[in-house]
Amino acid sequence: GAVVSQHPSWVICKSGTSVKIECRSLDFQATTMFWYRQFPKQSLMLMATSNEGSKATYEQGVEKDKFLINHASLTLSTLTVTSAHPEDSSFYICSVTRGENEQYFGPGTRLTVT
Amino acid sequence: AQSVSQHNHHVILSEAASLELGCNYSYGGTVNLFWYVQYPGQHLQLLLKYFSGDPLVKGIKGFEAEFIKSKFSFNLRKPSVQWSDTAEYFCAVNEENYGQNFVFGPGTRLSVLP
Repeated sequence: GAVVSQHPSWVICKSGTSVKIECRSLDFQATTMFWYRQFPKQSLMLMATSNEGSKATYEQGVEKDKFLINHASLTLSTLTVTSAHPEDSSFYICSVTRGENEQYFGPGTRLTVT
Repeated sequence: AQSVSQHNHHVILSEAASLELGCNYSYGGTVNLFWYVQYPGQHLQLLLKYFSGDPLVKGIKGFEAEFIKSKFSFNLRKPSVQWSDTAEYFCAVNEENYGQNFVFGPGTRLSVLP
Protein backbone atom coordinates (compact mmCIF):
# COMPACT_ATOMS: atom_id res chain seq x y z
CA GLY A 1 0.00 0.00 0.00
CA ALA A 2 0.91 3.64 -0.23
CA VAL A 3 3.51 4.88 2.18
CA VAL A 4 3.14 8.57 1.41
CA SER A 5 -0.02 10.42 0.54
CA GLN A 6 -0.59 13.87 -0.82
CA HIS A 7 -3.75 15.90 -0.73
CA PRO A 8 -5.20 17.17 -2.91
CA SER A 9 -4.08 15.32 -6.03
CA TRP A 10 -5.26 18.14 -8.28
CA VAL A 11 -6.30 21.66 -7.40
CA ILE A 12 -7.40 24.61 -9.48
CA CYS A 13 -7.37 28.02 -7.86
CA LYS A 14 -7.73 31.62 -8.86
CA SER A 15 -4.81 33.97 -9.08
CA GLY A 16 -4.15 35.68 -5.76
CA THR A 17 -5.49 32.93 -3.55
CA SER A 18 -3.50 30.55 -1.38
CA VAL A 19 -3.38 26.79 -1.67
CA LYS A 20 -2.25 24.26 0.92
CA ILE A 21 -0.84 20.89 -0.07
CA GLU A 22 -0.46 18.15 2.50
CA CYS A 23 2.12 15.40 2.56
CA ARG A 24 1.57 12.56 4.98
CA SER A 25 3.81 9.69 5.92
CA LEU A 26 1.44 6.82 6.51
CA ASP A 27 3.58 4.05 7.93
CA PHE A 28 6.40 5.68 9.83
CA GLN A 29 7.60 8.84 11.41
CA ALA A 30 9.61 10.97 9.03
CA THR A 31 12.04 13.48 10.39
CA THR A 32 12.85 14.80 6.93
CA MET A 33 10.62 15.49 3.98
CA PHE A 34 11.57 16.98 0.64
CA TRP A 35 9.38 19.14 -1.56
CA TYR A 36 9.95 19.13 -5.31
CA ARG A 37 8.39 20.96 -8.22
CA GLN A 38 8.20 19.92 -11.82
CA PHE A 39 7.36 22.19 -14.73
CA PRO A 40 6.30 20.69 -18.05
CA LYS A 41 9.14 19.23 -20.03
CA GLN A 42 11.54 19.61 -17.13
CA SER A 43 12.87 17.40 -14.38
CA LEU A 44 12.04 17.62 -10.73
CA MET A 45 13.56 20.55 -8.90
CA LEU A 46 14.12 20.54 -5.18
CA MET A 47 12.33 23.40 -3.51
CA ALA A 48 13.01 22.83 0.14
CA THR A 49 13.91 20.37 2.82
CA SER A 50 11.40 20.12 5.61
CA ASN A 51 12.63 19.11 9.06
CA GLU A 52 10.25 18.31 11.87
CA GLY A 53 10.35 20.88 14.60
CA SER A 54 12.58 23.34 12.79
CA LYS A 55 12.45 25.77 9.92
CA ALA A 56 12.57 24.42 6.41
CA THR A 57 15.68 24.87 4.33
CA TYR A 58 14.94 26.46 0.99
CA GLU A 59 16.90 26.10 -2.21
CA GLN A 60 18.33 29.14 -3.89
CA GLY A 61 15.73 30.98 -5.90
CA VAL A 62 12.75 29.59 -3.99
CA GLU A 63 10.86 32.29 -2.11
CA LYS A 64 10.28 31.13 1.43
CA ASP A 65 7.56 33.71 2.00
CA LYS A 66 5.67 32.47 -1.01
CA PHE A 67 6.08 28.76 -0.42
CA LEU A 68 5.40 28.24 3.25
CA ILE A 69 6.42 24.88 4.61
CA ASN A 70 5.28 23.60 7.97
CA HIS A 71 6.50 20.26 9.27
CA ALA A 72 4.24 20.21 12.27
CA SER A 73 4.53 16.55 13.14
CA LEU A 74 6.55 13.49 12.23
CA THR A 75 3.86 12.40 9.81
CA LEU A 76 2.71 15.63 8.22
CA SER A 77 4.33 18.39 6.22
CA THR A 78 2.37 21.09 4.43
CA LEU A 79 3.31 23.34 1.56
CA THR A 80 1.26 26.51 1.19
CA VAL A 81 1.52 28.45 -2.03
CA THR A 82 0.56 31.98 -1.04
CA SER A 83 -0.87 34.51 -3.46
CA ALA A 84 -0.64 32.01 -6.26
CA HIS A 85 -0.04 33.17 -9.81
CA PRO A 86 -0.34 31.30 -13.11
CA GLU A 87 3.43 30.81 -13.22
CA ASP A 88 3.12 28.75 -10.03
CA SER A 89 1.11 26.18 -11.95
CA SER A 90 3.16 23.04 -11.66
CA PHE A 91 3.35 19.56 -10.29
CA TYR A 92 4.43 19.36 -6.66
CA ILE A 93 5.81 16.15 -5.16
CA CYS A 94 6.91 15.39 -1.65
CA SER A 95 9.12 12.60 -0.49
CA VAL A 96 9.83 11.26 2.95
CA THR A 97 12.98 9.74 4.30
CA ARG A 98 13.30 6.85 6.68
CA GLY A 99 16.83 6.35 7.87
CA GLU A 100 19.44 7.21 5.27
CA ASN A 101 18.52 4.87 2.48
CA GLU A 102 14.78 4.59 2.32
CA GLN A 103 12.97 7.15 0.25
CA TYR A 104 9.29 7.21 -0.56
CA PHE A 105 7.49 9.55 -2.91
CA GLY A 106 4.04 10.97 -2.75
CA PRO A 107 1.78 10.71 -5.79
CA GLY A 108 2.09 14.43 -6.46
CA THR A 109 -0.26 17.37 -6.57
CA ARG A 110 -1.05 19.16 -9.79
CA LEU A 111 -1.67 22.86 -9.21
CA THR A 112 -3.35 24.96 -11.86
CA VAL A 113 -3.68 28.69 -11.20
CA THR A 114 -6.13 30.51 -13.43
CA ALA B 1 -2.51 3.31 -14.69
CA GLN B 2 1.09 4.01 -15.42
CA SER B 3 3.61 1.91 -13.51
CA VAL B 4 7.37 1.78 -13.40
CA SER B 5 9.38 -1.25 -12.38
CA GLN B 6 13.03 -1.57 -11.57
CA HIS B 7 14.53 -5.01 -11.84
CA ASN B 8 16.77 -5.05 -8.83
CA HIS B 9 16.14 -3.95 -5.29
CA HIS B 10 19.80 -4.03 -4.26
CA VAL B 11 22.89 -4.36 -6.42
CA ILE B 12 26.34 -4.91 -5.00
CA LEU B 13 29.39 -4.35 -7.16
CA SER B 14 33.10 -3.96 -6.79
CA GLU B 15 34.80 -0.81 -7.98
CA ALA B 16 35.51 -0.77 -11.72
CA ALA B 17 32.71 -3.22 -12.44
CA SER B 18 30.17 -2.31 -15.08
CA LEU B 19 26.66 -1.34 -14.09
CA GLU B 20 23.29 -1.79 -15.70
CA LEU B 21 20.08 -1.01 -13.86
CA GLY B 22 16.85 -2.01 -15.48
CA CYS B 23 13.76 0.14 -15.76
CA ASN B 24 10.49 -0.71 -17.49
CA TYR B 25 7.28 1.26 -17.71
CA SER B 26 3.80 0.32 -18.66
CA TYR B 27 2.37 3.25 -20.59
CA GLY B 28 2.13 2.85 -24.34
CA GLY B 29 2.00 6.50 -25.30
CA THR B 30 4.63 9.18 -25.50
CA VAL B 31 6.61 9.54 -22.32
CA ASN B 32 9.41 11.52 -20.81
CA LEU B 33 11.94 9.40 -18.94
CA PHE B 34 14.30 10.24 -16.11
CA TRP B 35 16.92 8.69 -13.90
CA TYR B 36 17.57 10.26 -10.53
CA VAL B 37 20.16 9.47 -7.91
CA GLN B 38 19.89 9.96 -4.20
CA TYR B 39 22.98 9.79 -2.06
CA PRO B 40 22.53 8.85 1.60
CA GLY B 41 20.83 11.62 3.50
CA GLN B 42 20.47 13.85 0.45
CA HIS B 43 17.72 14.84 -1.95
CA LEU B 44 17.18 13.59 -5.47
CA GLN B 45 19.52 14.71 -8.20
CA LEU B 46 18.89 14.34 -11.89
CA LEU B 47 21.30 12.00 -13.67
CA LEU B 48 19.81 12.20 -17.14
CA LYS B 49 16.56 12.57 -19.01
CA TYR B 50 15.01 11.61 -22.31
CA PHE B 51 12.33 13.63 -24.02
CA SER B 52 12.90 12.89 -27.70
CA GLY B 53 15.64 12.40 -30.28
CA ASP B 54 18.64 10.13 -29.86
CA PRO B 55 17.51 7.21 -27.67
CA LEU B 56 20.99 6.94 -26.16
CA VAL B 57 21.22 9.64 -23.55
CA LYS B 58 24.36 10.67 -21.74
CA GLY B 59 24.16 12.14 -18.26
CA ILE B 60 26.40 13.35 -15.53
CA LYS B 61 29.15 11.36 -13.81
CA GLY B 62 29.62 8.98 -16.73
CA PHE B 63 26.11 7.57 -16.70
CA GLU B 64 24.09 6.86 -19.81
CA ALA B 65 20.73 5.32 -20.56
CA GLU B 66 19.11 3.83 -23.61
CA PHE B 67 15.46 4.20 -24.44
CA ILE B 68 14.09 1.15 -26.25
CA LYS B 69 10.53 1.96 -27.15
CA SER B 70 9.64 -1.55 -28.28
CA LYS B 71 10.66 -2.92 -24.91
CA PHE B 72 9.26 -0.05 -22.85
CA SER B 73 12.66 0.15 -21.23
CA PHE B 74 15.09 2.83 -20.15
CA ASN B 75 18.07 1.07 -18.62
CA LEU B 76 20.84 2.96 -16.87
CA ARG B 77 24.47 2.05 -17.52
CA LYS B 78 27.92 2.99 -16.40
CA PRO B 79 31.02 1.19 -17.69
CA SER B 80 33.05 1.46 -14.50
CA VAL B 81 31.54 2.28 -11.12
CA GLN B 82 33.24 3.99 -8.25
CA TRP B 83 32.71 3.77 -4.52
CA SER B 84 31.17 7.24 -4.66
CA ASP B 85 28.37 5.89 -6.84
CA THR B 86 26.91 4.14 -3.81
CA ALA B 87 23.38 5.53 -3.70
CA GLU B 88 19.74 4.87 -4.47
CA TYR B 89 18.72 5.15 -8.11
CA PHE B 90 15.20 5.96 -9.24
CA CYS B 91 13.70 5.66 -12.68
CA ALA B 92 10.75 7.94 -13.34
CA VAL B 93 8.23 8.42 -16.10
CA ASN B 94 6.08 11.39 -16.96
CA GLU B 95 3.47 11.19 -19.67
CA GLU B 96 3.95 13.56 -22.57
CA ASN B 97 0.61 15.25 -22.20
CA TYR B 98 1.49 16.17 -18.61
CA GLY B 99 -1.97 15.28 -17.55
CA GLN B 100 -0.99 12.40 -15.30
CA ASN B 101 1.13 11.71 -12.31
CA PHE B 102 4.87 11.71 -12.37
CA VAL B 103 5.54 8.06 -11.55
CA PHE B 104 8.64 6.77 -9.86
CA GLY B 105 10.02 3.26 -9.81
CA PRO B 106 10.67 1.70 -6.41
CA GLY B 107 14.36 2.43 -6.59
CA THR B 108 17.50 0.31 -6.74
CA ARG B 109 20.10 0.55 -4.06
CA LEU B 110 23.63 0.35 -5.41
CA SER B 111 26.45 -0.55 -3.06
CA VAL B 112 29.95 -0.30 -4.49
CA LEU B 113 32.65 -2.05 -2.54
CA PRO B 114 36.09 -0.42 -2.46
